Amino acid sequence: DAGVTQSPTHLIKTRGQHVTLRCSPISGHKSVSWYQQVLGQGPQFIFQYYEKEERGRGNFPDRFSARQFPNYSSELNVNALLLGDSALYLCASSYYRWGTSGSVGTDTQYFGPGTRLTVL
Amino acid sequence: AQSVAQPEDQVNVAEGNPLTVKCTYSVSGNPYLFWYVQYPNRGLQFLLKYITGDNLVKGSYGFEAEFNKSQTSFHLKKPSALVSDSALYFCAVRPTGYSSASKIIFGSGTRLSIRP
Repeated sequence: DAGVTQSPTHLIKTRGQHVTLRCSPISGHKSVSWYQQVLGQGPQFIFQYYEKEERGRGNFPDRFSARQFPNYSSELNVNALLLGDSALYLCASSYYRWGTSGSVGTDTQYFGPGTRLTVL
Repeated sequence: AQSVAQPEDQVNVAEGNPLTVKCTYSVSGNPYLFWYVQYPNRGLQFLLKYITGDNLVKGSYGFEAEFNKSQTSFHLKKPSALVSDSALYFCAVRPTGYSSASKIIFGSGTRLSIRP
């Protein structure tokens, strides 16, 4: 089976532009998460989506948005790009479940290779 | 605030020697703990995880990690290092509980360098 795939691999934008990053999860995985990894730091959580609904949001401005499609693929959108948005954007998928009682699964998140965004 | 600390930016070990990469965390409750490895220009690869049970967890490529609840630590270990183990290692924590379980908190990473 294919792993998590992301496109594009690299992207160069200028300040103020908009960018869309794409992610396809592992087959059978319904949860997709997005992370930002600035050079020299650990990944920072941006969003998690499950069954097309946002299930979690990190401390990122409203310029960051995302959505999940019926086939469980996902897009991350960033508006009004700033120089500080330059980073590796990682997508992760998991066979993650939410129960009606609020219980959660323990499944591992598997990461894609990332999209390297450079803002000039 | 919830956090993960990797106190060493870099660990240098001779090939064949044992290695330890340290991780401590500050998260309420009983979180799930993970180690990931990142090679240059690559995404993160899962190594191992602790959910519950035996404090010594075995993972991929001969790595293992020891969970210590009283010290809130989850150190990564390998009995005999290989040059190919040289990479960037991240400790991560996923809080339990419905409202906070959606995200993973990563440490800042430790660069492991194995010399021949």
